[in-house]
Amino acid sequence: AQSVSQHNHHVILSEAASLELGCNYSYGGTVNLFWYVQYPGQHLQLLLKYFSGDPLVKGIKGFEAEFIKSKFSFNLRKPSVQWSDTAEYFCAVNARTGGFKTIFGAGTRLFVKA
Amino acid sequence: GAVVSQHPSWVICKSGTSVKIECRSLDFQATTMFWYRQFPKQSLMLMATSNEGSKATYEQGVEKDKFLINHASLTLSTLTVTSAHPEDSSFYICSARDELAGAYEQYFGPGTRLTVT
Repeated sequence: AQSVSQHNHHVILSEAASLELGCNYSYGGTVNLFWYVQYPGQHLQLLLKYFSGDPLVKGIKGFEAEFIKSKFSFNLRKPSVQWSDTAEYFCAVNARTGGFKTIFGAGTRLFVKA
Repeated sequence: GAVVSQHPSWVICKSGTSVKIECRSLDFQATTMFWYRQFPKQSLMLMATSNEGSKATYEQGVEKDKFLINHASLTLSTLTVTSAHPEDSSFYICSARDELAGAYEQYFGPGTRLTVT
C-alpha cells in the first residue's frame, strides 16, 4: 500500500529565509507525485506535480520540488519565503496501479514571520 | 481546466439526521470519484472510492452503512452521512480524474463543511 511521510509537522521561518519541506513515499511501482497548499480557511490548491521526465519540477508561486527516485523523496523548496506563504503544505502520491487513489501525507504547517 | 464542484459548501444539521453532499465534475466525465474527510488541522484521509454504476469501495475503518455513496452518473457522486453525530463534523472533500484526457492528477472540489449539533 502507498504511504507518504512528511517529516516536519511545524516550520517557522522569517521572511526571505529558504524553505525545504521533506516528503518520502512508500510504493514499489511508478508513482505520480504532488504538492498541495491549503491557505487558512481555503481549499486545496495544486502547487506542482511530477509524472515523468526532468526530476526537478517548478510550480506556482516560486516553488519547486525534486524527485529523487533512489531516496523515494520529493522535497519541496522555495529560495525565499514570504509572509503570504503561511499555509499548510501536503505531499501526495498516486499510481496507475492503485487506480489513481491519491494518498496524502500528514501535512506541514508553515508559519512565516513578517 | 477540469473543475469539480460540491454542494452544499456548508451544512449544519441536528444529531440523528442525515445529510447528503453532492460532488460534480463540471466539464469532464469520471467513472471514479474519491471522497476524503479532513478534521481540523489534520490531513485528508481517503474514505472511499466511488464507482459509477457499482458499489463504492471503502477504506479500512470507514463504516459503509454510515457513509452511503452513490455514483449515479458519470458526473455526479453523492455522499450521505446517515444518523449524523457531532463526531461526524468535518470537512468532506471529493475528487475526480479526467480519465478521457488521460490525466494522472485528481481535481479536488472545494469541500463541504459539515457541522452536527
